[in-house]
Amino acid sequence: TQLLEQSPQFLSIQEGENLTVYCNSSSVFSSLQWYRQEPGEGPVLLVTVVTGGEVKKLKRLTFQFGDARKDSSLHITAAQPGDTGLYLCAGSRYNNAGNMLTFGGGTRLMVKP
Amino acid sequence: GAVVSQHPSWVICKSGTSVKIECRSLDFQATTMFWYRQFPKQSLMLMATSNEGSKATYEQGVEKDKFLINHASLTLSTLTVTSAHPEDSSFYICSARQNLHSPLHFGNGTRLTVT
Repeated sequence: TQLLEQSPQFLSIQEGENLTVYCNSSSVFSSLQWYRQEPGEGPVLLVTVVTGGEVKKLKRLTFQFGDARKDSSLHITAAQPGDTGLYLCAGSRYNNAGNMLTFGGGTRLMVKP
Repeated sequence: GAVVSQHPSWVICKSGTSVKIECRSLDFQATTMFWYRQFPKQSLMLMATSNEGSKATYEQGVEKDKFLINHASLTLSTLTVTSAHPEDSSFYICSARQNLHSPLHFGNGTRLTVT
């Protein structure tokens, strides 16, 4: 069972459409990161959200952290083929081992031209 | 920005042989490195946490004798897949952090294919 549930798992849309990816948990995280990963490469950090209710924008991408810091969403406006990839959310918690990341199951996005 | 380099980026080996994967932090000293495994179309699964100068901590279900981890210096951790089998074929990714509260920086991954 994933501590972080991502939905949808797969999304295929046409260029120009909007989409939202959700990341939900019953646990509270100190921060949450969103990554994008292309085939054969490591994840690339897109954004970190820290404060409950925080909204961050990165061009056509809007990230929101839930008020209770248990969930997050990623909204893409006017998707483009270049947005195709695997989107991963990861919750960060601190324990005596330091900053530990828990990954969601991922959302595979395909944007067709 | 912080750079983590993995080598090799891909490797093909025969069943029964061992393969070593290196993870280097190029411009910072990494007190902790993490090793992940990723199957096709799936997310990253943490295999083990590697602290410099001490034994690695393995996640439940990961065989420590099969996946040998060495973190001998502050810039290098290695993962050795011993007696590899076809089911070990996967994408292996490392990440590194400078200290307890630092963000993680990921390598570009190593694709292992065991024939």
